[in-house]
Formats: sequence, structure tokens, C-alpha cells
Amino acid sequence: QVQLQESGPRLVKPSQTLSLTCIVSGGSITSGLYYWSWIRQPAGKGLEWIGRIYSTGSTNYNPSVKSRVTISIDTSKNQFSLKLTSVTAADTALYYCARADGFDSSGYLPGAADYWGQGTLVTVSS
Amino acid sequence: DIVMTQSPDSLAVSLGERASINCRSSQSVLYHSNNKNYLAWYQQKPGQPPKLLIYWASTRESGVPDRFSGSGSGTDFTLTISSLQAEDVAVYYCQQYYTTPYTFGQGTKLEIK
Repeated sequence: QVQLQESGPRLVKPSQTLSLTCIVSGGSITSGLYYWSWIRQPAGKGLEWIGRIYSTGSTNYNPSVKSRVTISIDTSKNQFSLKLTSVTAADTALYYCARADGFDSSGYLPGAADYWGQGTLVTVSS
Repeated sequence: DIVMTQSPDSLAVSLGERASINCRSSQSVLYHSNNKNYLAWYQQKPGQPPKLLIYWASTRESGVPDRFSGSGSGTDFTLTISSLQAEDVAVYYCQQYYTTPYTFGQGTKLEIK
């Protein structure tokens, strides 16, 4: 059973960098079949897809944060990370990591997010 | 970006009755080469992450009760709960994964009448 667990500081000051890590257990992050994603949810609001990374390090980002975001992968630790620079109060949210299908035997076939972490609340405040 | 619009924003249905939630995309999410609609439905209960219910618009995720079904194609989709149970109270989201950035509907809050 695949499990994902977010970790990182819960409080970040405005203009600083938000850094989170997602530890994956029960499966290899290098399986080649999946994308590893970050999704956030402001309190009481809907879901925003931030971006994703493949085991090769290939990434896709949401243009809404593209200039500030970096998603990286550490295959030796079976984890991937999110960095968001120059944060403001608008970045306060519950941050989820998730796994989504990316490939099957025929090639590229993106899919829905089937495994999610429990989420971690990050507050941007001085 | 593809804009996903759900209706209604909230819905109250009696136990045992049918509940239907609609989702419309601003452009088609049907990929003609494989005839798949890149559309998923998620259920989110308070304090929990979203749970995948339906993918490819109509395929139930393993373990999801068969009272949940998805239908539609192209730009118009529906999630139907055939007989509402108390444990189905939640917020439901549709999501397109046809192209990045993947986008979600604004959510539909389902309650018991």
C-alpha cells in the first residue's frame, strides 16, 4: 500500500521560501509509471494543482506559480519536494502531495491522483 | 487553462434518493486517439484529503461503492449517487487531467435533506 507523508515548516514569513517534502513509502518513486504532484487548498476553498515531477526530473508547473516554484526529486530517499519562493498570505493553504498515473505499457497516459498525503497546513505570517 | 465549472454549488438530498452533480469543462477533455475522457471525480470529507472515486469519466476506482457512477463525454459530465447514504456527505470535485495545468471544479457540497 503506497503512502505519502508531507513534512516541513508550518509557519513561513512573508517574502521567504516555503519548503515541503513528501516521503513516499510502500512503492518506489522511480517505478517509471507515475507522476508525483503537489496540490494545495486554502482554508474553506477549492483545490489548486501546483505542479508535478517525473522520476527523470521532468516537471510541469501551474503558470499561476511558475515563476516561484521548484519541484525536485530525490530518488535515493524516495521523496520529492516543493519550494515556493517569495510567499505571501495568499500562499497560506493545506498542501497535499499525491501520486498520479503517467505511463502505461504503450507510453504516456496521464491519470488521476489515486494516492494522497494527509496534507500539511502552511501559514504565511510574520 | 481549462476552466471546470460544477453545478450546483450545494445540494441537499434525502437519504436513499438520487444525487447528481454536473461538471462542465471550457474545452473538450476527450482525447480522440484513445476515446478517453480525461476527467476524474473526487470526494473530500472534512479533515481528509480528496479520495478518487471515478476516472476516465466513468471508471470506478477500486473499492468505491457501485452507487457512485460517472457519465458524460467531451465537455459535460455527471457524477450520480444512486441512493444517498449518510456517509456520502462531503464535497465533490471534478478534475480534468487532459492538459497541464490540471484544473478542478469549485466543488459541490452534498448534504442530507
